[in-house]
Amino acid sequence: EVHLLQSGGGLVQPGGSLRLSCAASGFSFSGSVMNWVRQAPGKGLEWVSSISESGDTTYYADSVKGRFTFSRDNSRNTLFLQMNSLRPEDTAIYYCTKSGTPGIPFPNWGQGTLVTVSS
Amino acid sequence: DIVMTQSPDSLAVSLGERATINCKSSQSVLYSSNNKNYLAWYQQKPGQPPKLLIYWASTRESGVPDRFRGSGSGTDFSLTISSLQAEDVAVYYCQQYYTIPWTFGQGTNVEFK
Repeated sequence: EVHLLQSGGGLVQPGGSLRLSCAASGFSFSGSVMNWVRQAPGKGLEWVSSISESGDTTYYADSVKGRFTFSRDNSRNTLFLQMNSLRPEDTAIYYCTKSGTPGIPFPNWGQGTLVTVSS
Repeated sequence: DIVMTQSPDSLAVSLGERATINCKSSQSVLYSSNNKNYLAWYQQKPGQPPKLLIYWASTRESGVPDRFRGSGSGTDFSLTISSLQAEDVAVYYCQQYYTIPWTFGQGTNVEFK
């Protein structure tokens, strides 16, 4: 069974940094594209970033490009989202997700972790 | 970016009645080489992550009840719940995964009348 266990959220001041982690189990981690999707309180879903199976290729939403870095450690089956220069509008629940076989977007989601950017 | 627009924003349906949610994309999400629409539907209940219901516009994810039906092609899509059950009260999102940035509709809140 696919399991995605997230950690690392919390309260941070504007301009600060935070690193989210997502520990994966139950599937071939190194063979899977992985992603982050966020949801501001009471709002809809926003794709944030994706990373290739090897970690060589990453994609980012314009809203986080240059501030967030998505990486993975395939030896530890773990994802990392380094978030710098945080803004109040980055306040959201962040979900790590696993892409399915080609053509199946986000069949598996982590439990979500809340990031609050506020002074 | 492809803009996804859902209608209505909110929908009140009686138990056992049909619910239909529409989703329109600002450009086609039909991939001509395989004739597949890169359109998915998700269900989200309060306090939970979204759950994938439908992909390729009309293929149900494993374990999804057959009362959920996706249809449409190109730029216009629908999700129909044929007979609303208590556990179907939720917010529903469409998503295009034709091109990055992958984008979602604003969500449709389905509740009991």
